[in-house]
Amino acid sequence: TQLLEQSPQFLSIQEGENLTVYCNSSSVFSSLQWYRQEPGEGPVLLVTVVTGGEVKKLKRLTFQFGDARKDSSLHITAAQPGDTGLYLCAVITDSWGKLQFGAGTQVVVTP
Amino acid sequence: EAQVTQNPRYLITVTGKKLTVTCSQNMNHEYMSWYRQDPGLGLRQIYYSMNVEVTDKGDVPEGYKVSRKEKRNFPLILESPSPNQTSLYFCASSLGSRGYEQYFGPGTRLTVT
Repeated sequence: TQLLEQSPQFLSIQEGENLTVYCNSSSVFSSLQWYRQEPGEGPVLLVTVVTGGEVKKLKRLTFQFGDARKDSSLHITAAQPGDTGLYLCAVITDSWGKLQFGAGTQVVVTP
Repeated sequence: EAQVTQNPRYLITVTGKKLTVTCSQNMNHEYMSWYRQDPGLGLRQIYYSMNVEVTDKGDVPEGYKVSRKEKRNFPLILESPSPNQTSLYFCASSLGSRGYEQYFGPGTRLTVT
């Protein structure tokens, strides 16, 4: 089983709609990162959340870290085609700082 | 421009033919790592390096080798590739290991027939 479960696996919406993707685990983490990967490119860091209950905003993207630091969500308001991509969550899993990724949510925003 | 470069970007090879995928970063980062990405499995770490001459296994190291002789370079070596190593490979680097942003290269799509 995956340490991080991301849902849904795939999401297709129209431009202007809102969406939320989730990253869940039964483990507690000191921090969690969200990356976006566009076709043909490597993942790019969007945000790091470190405090339980923390909410961070990046333009139309809102990231929340669960109170118990076991889960996180990413909400996109008024999605645009440029938001299309694979959204990955990742956590540090050992003292050497090894990152472990979820399988990702593929988001497609059509005009 | 700060970047991580990988070569080649695409490679089709045959079972058993040794190959090397190069990775280079120009940000003076100490920490570098290799991942493979497969559908439904996400990114899985193959090997990582804390600094020059310091490397260690990640989650899926079987069939791979690495070396870190210079800070900027971290090549991935497949001594005897097999079809189950067909995948999309990413090199990444960061200032340190704990919580730092990882900068990823553009990826190398490898097909082993």
